[in-house]
Amino acid sequence: GQNIDQPTEMTATEGAIVQINCTYQTSGFNGLFWYQQHAGEAPTFLSYNVLDGLEEKGRFSSFLSRSKGYSYLLLKELQMKDSASYLCAVRSTYSGAGSYQLTFGKGTKLSVIP
Amino acid sequence: DTGVSQDPRHKITKRGQNVTFRCDPISEHNRLYWYRQTLGQGPEFLTYFQNEAQLEKSRLLSDRFSAERPKGSFSTLEIQRTEQGDSAMYLCASSSFLGNTEAFFGQGTRLTVV
Repeated sequence: GQNIDQPTEMTATEGAIVQINCTYQTSGFNGLFWYQQHAGEAPTFLSYNVLDGLEEKGRFSSFLSRSKGYSYLLLKELQMKDSASYLCAVRSTYSGAGSYQLTFGKGTKLSVIP
Repeated sequence: DTGVSQDPRHKITKRGQNVTFRCDPISEHNRLYWYRQTLGQGPEFLTYFQNEAQLEKSRLLSDRFSAERPKGSFSTLEIQRTEQGDSAMYLCASSSFLGNTEAFFGQGTRLTVV
């Protein structure tokens, strides 16, 4: 089975930096994704890690440690529009079937305050 | 191409009725996924198609649920004899066969069973 944990809620100040952690247990790991979801809207892709290390994309960075089953999403220079839920998702593969389904965490609701 | 399209956006139905949702993926994507999301939770995987073949189904997908992708393009998800517990957002996503690419989500169909 798979299990993904991330904090339920976080609050941060506009202009600051926030780190959202995600821990996971899974078999057949084949990548970790971060999605952003504003209330009532579809999840939108932010980042993808399959190897250990840091991936940077503008104000957003994501880190992965496969040995620790750990990832974080780093948001810099926070803006009010960054208030949203951030979903950590793990993709696994099964021998033969080639499944590419994602297992999502419950999401971290980030509130950015002035 | 404007992305993944889902129809309808909202559906209210009486318990016991059948409902059908449609998803039009991004045209060059041959992988299509259905997820269900309830309030405060991350999306939960329901089923996965590669072209017209349904390769995987979650245990969440009871025998009242059926999904099709007859020509490998659009997909439909039907729920028979709806129950109040079926009330959720039903999300469709698609991805390319090439490489480890992210899944793009549609806006979802919000189902309310009264």
